[in-house]
Order: sequence, then structure tokens, then C-alpha cells
Amino acid sequence: DVKVTQSSRYLVKRTGEKVFLECVQDMDHENMFWYRQDPGLGLRLIYFSYDVKMKEKGDIPEGYSVSREKKERFSLILESASTNQTSMYLCASSFEREGRETQYFGPGTRLLVL
Amino acid sequence: AQTVTQSQPEMSVQEAETVTLSCTYDTSESDYYLFWYKQPPSRQMILVIRQEAYKQQNATENRFSVNFQKAAKSFSLKISDSQLGDAAMYFCAYGTQGGSEKLVFGKGTKLTVNP
Repeated sequence: DVKVTQSSRYLVKRTGEKVFLECVQDMDHENMFWYRQDPGLGLRLIYFSYDVKMKEKGDIPEGYSVSREKKERFSLILESASTNQTSMYLCASSFEREGRETQYFGPGTRLLVL
Repeated sequence: AQTVTQSQPEMSVQEAETVTLSCTYDTSESDYYLFWYKQPPSRQMILVIRQEAYKQQNATENRFSVNFQKAAKSFSLKISDSQLGDAAMYFCAYGTQGGSEKLVFGKGTKLTVNP
């Protein structure tokens, strides 16, 4: 079974802090994604990566950066956390097999910024 | 840009009955994929069912089936013999073939199953 893990289920940070959210997958997937999930807004893509050291902006990259130094690990960084970044953050990974792309999700990190 | 619309923020169904969740999408592509994901309360999001646009046959997975109407750009999910464990947020998603493999998600439908 594919396993995607995230470093924390719950996180409380203060405004202005630098926050690191870690995601690890164990299936050698090429693609990794970071989403935020807010009630009534669904999932919105922040950043994604299709290879080591490669990254592309999603729909809402402002205020975030990412790092992918190893294939299995994709980190989301909030350089200076703000209250409007309070949200649920979901990591996902995928690979294309016979053109049938499926994303596998981690359990999520619920971040509260005070 | 592709968009996915789920017009039902909330739905409810009696245990053992059938419910249909609606999803429409907008795209100018001819080759793409459609997905339904399930997110139970406080649990991990998992794939329920997947449909390739080039396939005319509707996908089925046990009690879950889709009604894919390509011309109408409609992709509804039917859950038969609903069970208490089906209670969850359901997200419809669209993905293009190849490229960066990004998915576009709808806003979700919260399904309640009444005993």
C-alpha cells in the first residue's frame, strides 16, 4: 500500500514564525503536491513538484515556498506565518502508470496561527 | 482554465438507500480523467473511483458507480446500499492526461447517512 505521511497532525504557531510542514512518501512517486483545504473552498493547490529540486506554483503560492531535496520528501515552508494561513494542509503524491494518474493523500496537518 | 462544480454542499441518505452526488466540469480538452475522492471525518482522503474520458463505459467499484456524460460534462457518483461508513466529504476532481498531473477539485459535498 502507498503510504504518505505528514510530520504533524496538529500544529499551533504564532504570527511571524517560520513554519515547516514535512511530507514523506514511500512509493518512489515522481510527483508531490501541497494543498490547503478550507470549508466551502475545497482543495486548492499551493505548489507541486514533479522531480527532485523541481517545483511549480499552484493556484495560491503566495506566502509559501517548498523544498524537494530528496524524491521521497516534500516540504512546505511558511516564511512568516499569518493568521490567514490557518488551515488544513494536505500533501499528496502520485505517479503515472499507463497514463492513469491517481493522487494518494497524507492524513493532513491542521495548522492554527495565533 | 478547467473548473469543477459540485452544486450540492450537503446531502443526506437513509442507510441502505441510494444517493447520487452531482458534479459538472468545464474543459476544452478531449483527453482527461475524472475522480471521486472520499474524506471521512478526521481521516485520510482516499480515491473512490476513477473514469478515463475516452472510455464510454461508466466506471464501477462495488457499491459505487458513476454516470459519465461527456457531452454534458457531467460526472455524478451513485452510492448504492448506503452504509454508515459512507458518511464523508466527497470531492469530485478533474485531471489532464500527461503533463504535470495537476488535479482541479470541486468544493465538496458532505454526505450524511442516517440510520
